[in-house]
Amino acid sequence: EDQVTQSPEALRLQEGESSSLNCSYTVSGLRGLFWYRQDPGKGPEFLFTLYSAGEEKEKERLKATLTKKESFLHITAPKPEDSATYLCAAANSGYSTLTFGKGTMLLVSP
Amino acid sequence: GAVVSQHPSWVICKSGTSVKIECRSLDFQATTMFWYRQFPKQSLMLMATSNEGSKATYEQGVEKDKFLINHASLTLSTLTVTSAHPEDSSFYICSVSDIRAGDETQYFGPGTRLLVL
Repeated sequence: EDQVTQSPEALRLQEGESSSLNCSYTVSGLRGLFWYRQDPGKGPEFLFTLYSAGEEKEKERLKATLTKKESFLHITAPKPEDSATYLCAAANSGYSTLTFGKGTMLLVSP
Repeated sequence: GAVVSQHPSWVICKSGTSVKIECRSLDFQATTMFWYRQFPKQSLMLMATSNEGSKATYEQGVEKDKFLINHASLTLSTLTVTSAHPEDSSFYICSVSDIRAGDETQYFGPGTRLLVL
């Protein structure tokens, strides 16, 4: 059974304090690893898709990386507007559906 | 990425009535659409997957006769909650993807909050 585990469950940072969120996955034949941002009361917003180990993608203060067992979402010098829940999801080789982690709730204080 | 809309954004109904939620892909040929529900402080739970012109595939434990899904075109899917009860109150979110293009990325709508009294 495919599994995606995110840690920590919650993270509180001061503005400018860089950190990383972790996503560990056990998936049969990974076809893609996805990161989303979800604000309260809204649908998830797509951030990145990673396809193979060693791949990296960046967007503003966010950088996503992928290994054969886990993915990291690095947040550099975060701002209060980066506060949100970050979701990780994986697609395996057999199905079109995604397996989601439970998310990391990030709070950035000014 | 795709722009996805949902209507209505929130709905309140009486127990026993049916509610229809629309999901539209505004600029994207959505060969596959997904419906999720999300309870407070929990992650997304996939309810069903539908391909354009085909019957939806429901996840285990989801009643197909209660949650009717129609994916009549590449831009529109509807979810009808029949004979809604208070336990059906939740946040319903649709997503779209173009599997035929070899891209598993799903783009999500803004969600519909349903409250059944």
